Amino acid sequence: DTEVTQTPKHLVMGMTNKKSLKCEQHMGHRAMYWYKQKAKKPPELMFVYSYEKLSINESVPSRFSPECPNSSLLNLHLHALQPEDSALYLCASSRWRREKLFFGSGTQLSVL
Amino acid sequence: SQQGEEDPQALSIQEGENATMNCSYKTSINNLQWYRQNSGRGLVHLILIRSNEREKHSGRLRVTLDTSKKSSSLLITASRAADTASYFCATDHPSSNTGNQFYFGTGTSLTVIP
Repeated sequence: DTEVTQTPKHLVMGMTNKKSLKCEQHMGHRAMYWYKQKAKKPPELMFVYSYEKLSINESVPSRFSPECPNSSLLNLHLHALQPEDSALYLCASSRWRREKLFFGSGTQLSVL
Repeated sequence: SQQGEEDPQALSIQEGENATMNCSYKTSINNLQWYRQNSGRGLVHLILIRSNEREKHSGRLRVTLDTSKKSSSLLITASRAADTASYFCATDHPSSNTGNQFYFGTGTSLTVIP
């Protein structure tokens, strides 16, 4: 199994809603990532988990809250988002440091 | 910003021609990777080249790295319509204390016309 699975594929939410994005991999990878990508722009790093611990937070607003319940799962909890947060949210994993990233197909998020 | 820059921003070629795209970055790196993204989808890893390597091949792909110029190029030979996608370079920097901070370049949008 060489897949990273993200759910849901599409999400529409209001600014007062609370929602969560889910990411799952069963490749035994020890690093997992959240990236945000706006249309026609490159992915921007948000968070990195290494061995289930948050190792990198790229100054992301607190309305985005990551969680890594176990080595296979990564969640991104969303609360009180703004319309400018609308984007494609990509999850990725890698076996360990400095190795290639495996990406999920992303969640297209629209904030109304 | 540690983000790299790619040129051209957009490239349109005929099927069968070669496509070359370039990536420039600002600080020293451990490795450089190239990824492909079809519209609105996740990225797919193409090739990784380490800082002590100068050239690498994978099928129709050829990547070069010039650390003195802080630049890399990706050559796709004998292009096909299915190569139509956006291509990004990603760099990993020695200053990263985790080795897990990958920063993506601005990307090149490639269109291969059948």
